[in-house]
Amino acid sequence: SQTIHQWPATLVQPVGSPLSLECTVEGTSNPNLYWYRQAAGRGLQLLFYSVGIGQISSEVPQNLSASRPQDRQFILSSKKLLLSDSGFYLCAWSVWSSGWQETQYFGPGTRLLVL
Amino acid sequence: QKEVEQNSGPLSVPEGAIASLNCTYSDRGSQSFFWYRQYSGKSPELIMSIYSNGDKEDGRFTAQLNKASQYVSLLIRDSQPSDSATYLCAVSASGTSYGKLTFGQGTILTVHP
Repeated sequence: SQTIHQWPATLVQPVGSPLSLECTVEGTSNPNLYWYRQAAGRGLQLLFYSVGIGQISSEVPQNLSASRPQDRQFILSSKKLLLSDSGFYLCAWSVWSSGWQETQYFGPGTRLLVL
Repeated sequence: QKEVEQNSGPLSVPEGAIASLNCTYSDRGSQSFFWYRQYSGKSPELIMSIYSNGDKEDGRFTAQLNKASQYVSLLIRDSQPSDSATYLCAVSASGTSYGKLTFGQGTILTVHP
């Protein structure tokens, strides 16, 4: 069965510090991978998606970046955090069925507080 | 801007009752529709997916889709206190080669004993 891991689970960082969040998926190969952010009291916002190694697409321009160095590894980074970067960061992977139906499953998330 | 609208609630129902959660969407080309449940402080968990008009049942959950009206709903029968959570409606975006989802803001459901 497939599992998805994210770490760290929680993180408190000062404004202006760098960030690195990691997501790994087990039990599947060549998944589509996604980074979402959920700010307090707000909906899920898609930040990045990747359909393969080294292939990253950004949905929202911001001071965050993403990388996919391995097939089942997805990393979210920032060189300098802003207060507005606080939120719940979720990694998701997807599975295809019937040729066109794609279903996304979420990891446990990383709660980031920027002070 | 493609949108997904949900009643923010909170929706409060007594234990054993039917909870009805509604969602409308603006993208007429959407093909896939999902309901996720999110407990406080946790990540979203997939409950139901539906792709064609009509009803789809899974245990106590029934998803209903009406593409002509651009409307999708989730019914929870015999509601339990453990069903208390935020329910997120997600709709796939048309015209993309990947599974881009647009999420509603979520409906908070409280089931009281």
